[in-house]
Amino acid sequence: GDSVTQMEGPVTLSEEACLTINCTYTATGYPSLFWYVQYPGEGLQLLLKATKADDKGSNKGFEATYRKETTSFHLEKGSVQVSDSAVYFCALRDDYKLSFGAGTTVTVRA
Amino acid sequence: GAGVSQTPSNKVTEKGKYVELRCDPISGHTALYWYRQSLGQGPEFLIYFQGTGAADDSGLPNDRFFAVRPEGSVSTLKIQRTERGDSAVYLCASSLKAGELEEQFFGPGTRLTVL
Repeated sequence: GDSVTQMEGPVTLSEEACLTINCTYTATGYPSLFWYVQYPGEGLQLLLKATKADDKGSNKGFEATYRKETTSFHLEKGSVQVSDSAVYFCALRDDYKLSFGAGTTVTVRA
Repeated sequence: GAGVSQTPSNKVTEKGKYVELRCDPISGHTALYWYRQSLGQGPEFLIYFQGTGAADDSGLPNDRFFAVRPEGSVSTLKIQRTERGDSAVYLCASSLKAGELEEQFFGPGTRLTVL
């Protein structure tokens, strides 16, 4: 079945450092791809998405590009802030069902 | 407007007991989903409702788990004869309608602990 594998954490960074979280997927079709974020004490929120190959999703300074040739959807941010500390989940969606990766915990130090 | 709400936020029960977890979706959302998030893992799909009917319950782990949505709005996830392995955060999500382009909005979850 469809699945997502993402980089294991935890990841600890200093403020203004670059962040990359790797995500690869396995799917029989052409799913939509997502990054969700869970801030401390809050529920899951959609961060960005891409619905077809070569699409780039972006939000809050984060970007990810849907790469069909490498079946990847890596999350990147050029300069992180303390407020970016959270758990990040890569996910794919085939029709209505979301399949999530295990999550990557990111801590940004001032 | 109000988001997805779930009650209770925390539930502690003893092995063998019955529990009910409630989800109030965003008003007007016809599609509703339940997911389960075990410690250190991402959410896993349990069941999807379109209106009042369960369109896909393939993620329910066994027949101790059951969910209803009798009026097409509020949903209740029911777990019989709870086991310690059922301990997890149970997440509910809703979307305006079903379909790949529809964003799913998640509630804060119910943390279930089975002692």
